[in-house]
Amino acid sequence: DIVMTQSPDSLAVSLGERATINCKSSQSVLYSSNNKNYLAWYQQRPGQPPKLLIYWASTRESGVPDRFSGSGSGTDFTLTISSLQAEDVAVYYCQQYYTTPYIFGQGTKLEIK
Amino acid sequence: QVQLQESGPGLVKPSETLSLTCTVSGGSITGHYWSWIRQPPGKGLEWIAYVYSSGSTNYNPSLKSRVTISVDTSKDQSSLKLSSVTTADTAVYYCARGDPARANTFDIWGQGTKVTVSS
Repeated sequence: DIVMTQSPDSLAVSLGERATINCKSSQSVLYSSNNKNYLAWYQQRPGQPPKLLIYWASTRESGVPDRFSGSGSGTDFTLTISSLQAEDVAVYYCQQYYTTPYIFGQGTKLEIK
Repeated sequence: QVQLQESGPGLVKPSETLSLTCTVSGGSITGHYWSWIRQPPGKGLEWIAYVYSSGSTNYNPSLKSRVTISVDTSKDQSSLKLSSVTTADTAVYYCARGDPARANTFDIWGQGTKVTVSS
């Protein structure tokens, strides 16, 4: 199985400041035939189901604010929130869909400082 | 707008079989993957299995011996059965749609149904 490791486990950022969450996979999730990274990011607000934010490592889902961006390739990925808003308090998960079993990272809890 | 609704018993006894249903509304079950994903209290997400609308399936090896997933296109429903449950199976169980154009990315989720395994 591909192991997904996020860092940090928790993060406190001031409103309006940048938040950065990292995700590392134990093997590459870059599919060479189409040059796509099979990596997604989800946001889970308290008491809610997860919500898809980013797929193909850097493509924003429709309706997701542009303060959310994804980057990285191969085994190292980053989710960046450029200017933290109060509604961004949540747990964020990365997930590989390169191969089954699909595996999520352990989650990063984002709070307001 | 496509919506997913999980249903099933909230309490299951140890050693029994957990049965859940995901009903799709606002769209068709055809042409998509349908996954079940669970989240134990205070923990992360675990993918259990998916079924394509044609009936083809894929299971997480860690649960494969106890899981059966199916689809009923006439009812726009997906079902999950998990046998021989233990307290470790206590979790919120989510149904999620996988978009084949995005390699089965989970683009729509149900609200989840809480299942407690206890005698």
